Formats: sequence, structure tokens, C-alpha cells
Amino acid sequence: DSGVTQTPKHLITATGQRVTLRCSPRSGDLSVYWYQQSLDQGLQFLIQYYNGEERAKGNILERFSAQQFPDLHSELNLSSLELGDSALYFCASSPRDRAYGYTFGSGTRLTVV
Amino acid sequence: EDKVVQSPLSLVVHEGDTVTLNCSYEVTNFRSLLWYKQEKKAPTFLFMLTSSGIEKKSGRLSSILDKKELFSILNITATQTGDSAIYLCAAGGSSGDKLTFGTGTRLAVRP
Repeated sequence: DSGVTQTPKHLITATGQRVTLRCSPRSGDLSVYWYQQSLDQGLQFLIQYYNGEERAKGNILERFSAQQFPDLHSELNLSSLELGDSALYFCASSPRDRAYGYTFGSGTRLTVV
Repeated sequence: EDKVVQSPLSLVVHEGDTVTLNCSYEVTNFRSLLWYKQEKKAPTFLFMLTSSGIEKKSGRLSSILDKKELFSILNITATQTGDSAIYLCAAGGSSGDKLTFGTGTRLAVRP
């Protein structure tokens, strides 16, 4: 157990729907990062939050949004889902606002049918 | 745009072989190069390199960074079937705190 908890582990939903993925960072970590891993693609950075504030943004679609709550857990909201959104979504956390050696959760596998 | 390229894309070896995985990067205001191992799900941290020419070792794994030529290698000696995984290279720069990942090298170690 890495200490980073992601729920749910698996999610199957239909096109056009909206889902919420949840991440609880490792105790004491202030930064949360969201990554998407599609088949044959590397991990693509989506967004980072540090202590409740958005810190960095990658190629995140407008249909996707995220937030980090006062208790430091984070949620990634994916709406108007398309087949191409099917992927593994990872959350990672780190103790400072630096990416060095951060810890990944076990991911949420999203399948859009 | 930041970029990380890994080679080879995949590799099949036999137990006991030595392998070298390559990673080249182009990252604005480079700060660090990281290696991760991904088996079934979550990538697990292997090494972080920030200085050129200093080898980092952990058991049969070692890695080195060349900041002049913008690349890193990961060596695995005396491979075992448990080394079968995807090895990911990532580079961190100054554009926020994100890491830019390569697509990985898929290593299969046959008994």
C-alpha cells in the first residue's frame, strides 16, 4: 500500500455520462497530481493541486475538472464522456510543491462504452 | 513542449542477461530525471537523478545521468523474471511541478 488511495478501482459508464474519481493523498502530502494513461501512451499530466490551490495544468480537456478540498483529498470530474476517455487515471502525491519522487495511487480504470 | 523519449519500446531477454534502457529528454529548465517501474498498476519509484555522472545504485539496478547530452540510462544486471515490467522515465523542469513521462520500455524476462 503506497499510502495514496484512489476510488473507485474500476468504473464502467456510458458515453455522455459524468463520473467523479477520488484521491486521498499520503498523510502529510500537500500536493496532488492527476495523470491519464491510455493504451500505448505514457502518463499524461492533467493537473496539480497544492494545498487546495491549482498549481499547474497540463493538456486537460475542458470537459474535465478537478479540485482539492480542505482535508487535501482531491476529485477529478470527467463529463460528457467519450470512448476515447477510457484509460487508467492515476493520482500521485508529494510532500512539497515539487514533483521529486512522488508516490502514485493504484489508479482508477475507466471504461466508457 | 517538454519531451521524453525512451528506447527500446520493448525488450525480451533471458534470466541472467544484462539490459540497458535509454531515456533522452528535452525539458525547459531541467531539474531532475526519475525512473519508475510499473508492474500491474501503480508506478513505483526507483531513482531520482539531478547531477551528471553520479551513478545511483540499488541492488542489481543502477542509473546515471548525462546533462550535457540530455540522456539517462537504467541498467539491470543478472535479470530475473520479477524484473518484467514497464520501466518509465520522467523528467521534471520548471514548468510547474509536473513530470513529463516517456511511453516506457516494456521488459520481459524469460526463465
